[in-house]
Amino acid sequence: EPEVTQTPSHQVTQMGQEVILRCVPISNHLYFYWYRQILGQKVEFLVSFYNNEISEKSEIFDDQFSVERPDGSNFTLKIRSTKLEDSAMYFCASSYGLAGITDTQYFGPGTRLTVL
Amino acid sequence: GESVGLHLPTLSVQEGDNSIINCAYSNSASDYFIWYKQESGKGPQFIIDIRSNMDKRQGQRVTVLLNKTVKHLSLQIAATQPGDSAVYFCAENNDWGGKLIFGQGTELSVKP
Repeated sequence: EPEVTQTPSHQVTQMGQEVILRCVPISNHLYFYWYRQILGQKVEFLVSFYNNEISEKSEIFDDQFSVERPDGSNFTLKIRSTKLEDSAMYFCASSYGLAGITDTQYFGPGTRLTVL
Repeated sequence: GESVGLHLPTLSVQEGDNSIINCAYSNSASDYFIWYKQESGKGPQFIIDIRSNMDKRQGQRVTVLLNKTVKHLSLQIAATQPGDSAVYFCAENNDWGGKLIFGQGTELSVKP
């Protein structure tokens, strides 16, 4: 069964460093998302992406964050200068159609980001 | 403001019993609701969804009930098994961008 994959599973970085989290969405999906989950808290929406541009972003997704689909298979989240409060699980998700309207979002296993 | 919340943070049931996990939402404009299961160290796994034009939907061993009058959503798991032990999140969508708003989560523990 097709699934969303994410690398790395765990990333440790120093405060102020740049990190890139990578995702390979399900191959025929067209809509891509990033969410994060701080330990013990609920999953929070960061950004949605369609047709090579951001569709929607949350207040969390400030100028330190960016997303890119560099090729036909990868979808990346970059944090330019990490802060301690960026420590969380980051989940990538994808859907074929627009989630809620025509289709369901499927989530990857997550990348645990630890900022020291 | 928008919020989706769960009534109970933990639920413990005996193997074989039925489980009911509840969720309250505050945005009456929400028109799509999903239940996800999250096992430790893994991403949310889709269980079942329901649209606002329905009040009940059944899957394999799971049923979702939607009461729009009181803005309440529930997940019923029949014959709960140890493999059902996980955190269960409800999520809602109320816009055209696909953004999901998640609730706090309920941890289901199944005793053998």
